[in-house]
Amino acid sequence: AQSVSQHNHHVILSEAASLELGCNYSYGGTVNLFWYVQYPGQHLQLLLKYFSGDPLVKGIKGFEAEFIKSKFSFNLRKPSVQWSDTAEYFCAVKIAAGNKLTFGGGTRVLVKP
Amino acid sequence: EPEVTQTPSHQVTQMGQEVILRCVPISNHLYFYWYRQILGQKVEFLVSFYNNEISEKSEIFDDQFSVERPDGSNFTLKIRSTKLEDSAMYFCASGVHQETQYFGPGTRLLVL
Repeated sequence: AQSVSQHNHHVILSEAASLELGCNYSYGGTVNLFWYVQYPGQHLQLLLKYFSGDPLVKGIKGFEAEFIKSKFSFNLRKPSVQWSDTAEYFCAVKIAAGNKLTFGGGTRVLVKP
Repeated sequence: EPEVTQTPSHQVTQMGQEVILRCVPISNHLYFYWYRQILGQKVEFLVSFYNNEISEKSEIFDDQFSVERPDGSNFTLKIRSTKLEDSAMYFCASGVHQETQYFGPGTRLLVL
């Protein structure tokens, strides 16, 4: 069965700092990869997704993620964060032909103004 | 922008009672899902539903759980006899196709 690891549970940074959140998965076959964000008091929202093609994926709100197949990784990045990026970020993986998402444990990001 | 909605937002029940959690998926979506997140743990898949039948379920989704799409708009999760360990946030999700899932705000269930 596939599993997903997010290395950082909590990240604290100041506005304008760069953000990188790690995500690794374990599954040898073809996968679809996702990052979701949950802002305080809100529901999970899709930030970006990767199915195939260019391994560098751009999402909403200036976020991007890079799929590195050899490392089974799909790290999320943002060059310059804002206070409004304070949220919990979830990496998720789906076997390409399957139904279920397998989630990482989430990373809480606090951006100090 | 259309969103998945869930009711109620919070539910408190006694152990052994039946609960029904309700979801209204996005209107043109064909794939429906339930997930849950026990406090401090990962979001876990429960079940997927397509074409009026379960397409996949996890080992968590035992005989105490059932899902139904009683009409053209609602998608429900029933827990027949709740246990303390069913306390969790329950998320509904839907998708036009299998690739992408859109989540609702969740129902926080507390079993006493």
